[in-house]
Amino acid sequence: DVKVTQSSRYLVKRTGEKVFLECVQDMDHENMFWYRQDPGLGLRLIYFSYDVKMKEKGDIPEGYSVSREKKERFSLILESASTNQTSMYLCASSRRGGSDIQYFGAGTRLSVL
Amino acid sequence: GEDVEQSLFLSVREGDSSVINCTYTDSSSTYLYWYKQEPGAGLQLLTYIFSNMDMKQDQRLTVLLNKKDKHLSLRIADTQTGDSAIYFCAESPLSGGYNKLIFGAGTRLAVHP
Repeated sequence: DVKVTQSSRYLVKRTGEKVFLECVQDMDHENMFWYRQDPGLGLRLIYFSYDVKMKEKGDIPEGYSVSREKKERFSLILESASTNQTSMYLCASSRRGGSDIQYFGAGTRLSVL
Repeated sequence: GEDVEQSLFLSVREGDSSVINCTYTDSSSTYLYWYKQEPGAGLQLLTYIFSNMDMKQDQRLTVLLNKKDKHLSLRIADTQTGDSAIYFCAESPLSGGYNKLIFGAGTRLAVHP
């Protein structure tokens, strides 16, 4: 069974803190994605990675960075958290080619105070 | 540009059929998808349709695709309270590369007795 695991379901951080969100997939997928989800805005792509050590900016990369040192793990980093980064963060992975189906983790709800 | 639009809310009575509509803009999309998100959870793939099909049925779910009008719909027969969730439509434009998906804002389906 496919599995995408996000390390935390809920996180509370303070403004200015460095925040790491971790995502691990066990399907040997090449592609991994980070989205944020806000009410009425749907899912917006922050960054994605199509291979180890490769990354591409999505639609809203400002204030975020990512790391992919191993194929199964994709980390989202908030260098200095701000209150407008309070959101639900979703990680997904997909196989290269084929039907483009993305498999999602359960999400991390981040509150920045 | 790339855009996927869907209405934000739908309310139906238990036992009735639900129809959730979506319009997309990129005719190059090879696949179109419906995802379901239950409260506090990530997105779960419900079904998808290849662009050369106009209908796909899977138990209580029927997907209709009108490629000329770039219109996609999801019909849920005999809607149950367990169907209450947010439903996202998504397209996979060829221009996106690397299996990127473009999501709509999501339709919140409320099922009442």
